[in-house]
Amino acid sequence: DADVTQTPRNRITKTGKRIMLECSQTKGHDRMYWYRQDPGLGLRLIYYSFDVKDINKGEISDGYSVSRQAQAKFSLSLESAIPNQTALYFCATSPLDRNYGYTFGSGTRLTVV
Amino acid sequence: AQSVSQHNHHVILSEAASLELGCNYSYGGTVNLFWYVQYPGQHLQLLLKYFSGDPLVKGIKGFEAEFIKSKFSFNLRKPSVQWSDTAEYFCAVTLHAGNMLTFGGGTRLMVKP
Repeated sequence: DADVTQTPRNRITKTGKRIMLECSQTKGHDRMYWYRQDPGLGLRLIYYSFDVKDINKGEISDGYSVSRQAQAKFSLSLESAIPNQTALYFCATSPLDRNYGYTFGSGTRLTVV
Repeated sequence: AQSVSQHNHHVILSEAASLELGCNYSYGGTVNLFWYVQYPGQHLQLLLKYFSGDPLVKGIKGFEAEFIKSKFSFNLRKPSVQWSDTAEYFCAVTLHAGNMLTFGGGTRLMVKP
C-alpha cells in the first residue's frame, strides 16, 4: 500500500456541486498539506495542518475548506465547485524534522464542468 | 514572501546531451533547497536536497545541484540525460526555520531517443 493515499484518483463534477477529496497516510507524520498543480504555476499551497487541532490557510485557500479527522486523515472540500478549480490536487505529509522533506500522494485529477 | 523561479518552462534534449535547469529564489535568509521530479502520471519524488555544508549536492539517478548563495540559485545538472529522464522537474524552497515548501513553476523536460 502507498504511504500517502488519495481518493478519488479522477473526478468529474458539475459547477456548484460539493466535492470532497480524501487523503490518508501511514507514515505517522504529524504534518499534512494540500496543494494544487496547474500548468506553468507549479504547486500552490491550499491548506496545511501541523496536528489534528492546527489548521492553517495557504496562499490560495478561497473556495476550499479542510478537515483533519485524525492524525492520518486530511480531507479537502470544495463547497461549490467552479471551473477554475479544475486542477491536479496533491496531498503531502512531513514529519516534524524538516530534513526528511515531503511525501506526496499520487494526486487527484479534478475536472469541473 | 519567498518566491521561486524556474526560467525554462520546456526543454527538449537528445539522449546523452547535458542538462542544466535553472532555479532562483527570492529570499535573503537561510533556506533549504529541493529538487523534485514528476514522471508522467506519477506523484512528485525527491531528487535531492540541500540544507548546509558542501554546496554541490548529489542526488539519485545521476543528478546533482549546486547552491550558489551569491546568485540565489540552485541549478540542477546531469552530464548525460536518458530517455527515461523525461519528466517535469520542480525546484522548491523552505525557510531554514520553517517547514513550508514553496515551489517553482516547473520545467518540463523531454528527452528524444
